[in-house]
Amino acid sequence: EPEVTQTPSHQVTQMGQEVILRCVPISNHLYFYWYRQILGQKVEFLVSFYNNEISEKSEIFDDQFSVERPDGSNFTLKIRSTKLEDSAMYFCASSGGPIEKLFFGSGTQLSVL
Amino acid sequence: AQTVTQSQPEMSVQEAETVTLSCTYDTSESDYYLFWYKQPPSRQMILVIRQEAYKQQNATENRFSVNFQKAAKSFSLKISDSQLGDAAMYFCAYRSARGGSNYKLTFGKGTLLTVNP
Repeated sequence: EPEVTQTPSHQVTQMGQEVILRCVPISNHLYFYWYRQILGQKVEFLVSFYNNEISEKSEIFDDQFSVERPDGSNFTLKIRSTKLEDSAMYFCASSGGPIEKLFFGSGTQLSVL
Repeated sequence: AQTVTQSQPEMSVQEAETVTLSCTYDTSESDYYLFWYKQPPSRQMILVIRQEAYKQQNATENRFSVNFQKAAKSFSLKISDSQLGDAAMYFCAYRSARGGSNYKLTFGKGTLLTVNP
């Protein structure tokens, strides 16, 4: 089965630093998402991306966050100035169509110290 | 806004027995999808089963089946012949099928399932 690939699997950073989380969605998929899960809590929607633009973002996705699809294959999430509360598992997901199966990556565990 | 509620933070089952995990949701929409995802200790999100709201027939995937009660907005997951590998956190999720929406998933808080040998 095709896979969504996320790198790195674990990222440790200092508060205030910028981080970029990388994702390679399944080729020919058109809909891309970022979700996050704080340890012990539910998975929360951050942002959806389609046709090279954000289609929806949650309240969590403030000005410190940005997404980009720089080269047609990668899909990145940037946090400009990390805060302690940004520590979480970040999941990338993609689907071929709006109602097709959503494939999740294995996640990037972000630890902000 | 849609909400998903899982009222059982933890459940346990004996190996080979059957267990049912509960989920209720709130929506004003008539067309949507419901899902159960499994998250083992590796924290990978694995799709277990999916139900289209317009289908009256309950979805089934091998040992996993759902009881979808649209009027009651209930969507429970039944795991038959439980195996040790079924031990995981299970999340119920909702996704709109309305045209023009971004089709994001809304998750419940999860139920931690323990399987006892």
